[in-house]
Amino acid sequence: GNSVTQMEGPVTLSEEAFLTINCTYTATGYPSLFWYVQYPGEGLQLLLKATKADDKGSNKGFEATYRKETTSFHLEKGSVQVSDSAVYFCALGETSGSRLTFGEGTQLTVNP
Amino acid sequence: NAGVMQNPRHLVRRRGQEARLRCSPMKGHSHVYWYRQLPEEGLKFMVYLQKENIIDESGMPKERFSAEFPKEGPSILRIQQVVRGDSAAYFCASSAPSVYLHTGELFFGEGSRLTVL
Repeated sequence: GNSVTQMEGPVTLSEEAFLTINCTYTATGYPSLFWYVQYPGEGLQLLLKATKADDKGSNKGFEATYRKETTSFHLEKGSVQVSDSAVYFCALGETSGSRLTFGEGTQLTVNP
Repeated sequence: NAGVMQNPRHLVRRRGQEARLRCSPMKGHSHVYWYRQLPEEGLKFMVYLQKENIIDESGMPKERFSAEFPKEGPSILRIQQVVRGDSAAYFCASSAPSVYLHTGELFFGEGSRLTVL
């Protein structure tokens, strides 16, 4: 079945550092890929998405490129801020189904 | 607030009691999903419903758990005879009509945190 694997956390960075959170997936067909962010005590919010191979999703300085050849969708940001501290989830949307399959989540803490 | 509304935000139950969690989808959305987030874990799909229909319940435990989305009113996730292992955050999400489903984008509520004593 479909699955998503994220790099293990937690990740701790200093402000303005470069961020990479790795995500790889296993799926049949051509799924859509997502990054969601969860701030403390809140629900998940969509951060960015890509619906086909080679698409780049971007939002709030975050980027991720849908790489079919490596089955990856790594999240990157060039300069993180304290306000980026949250849990980040990579997710896969099945092409013919109804659900999202989530990775385990990566806790990011950014220190001033 | 036109977002997905869940209540209660926090619920405490003793073992053996029943828990009922409610979810009102975003305005205009007719599809509801329930996910469970156990401590220190990711989100696990439980069930997908449309009005008066359960579309996919493959993630629901076989016993004690049930869900409904009536013609009128919110979706309800019901857990009977709760046990300590049911302690988790339960998230509801909604999506627009099926023509958009292939993109998979879901809109989440803030969750209901169940604690079983």
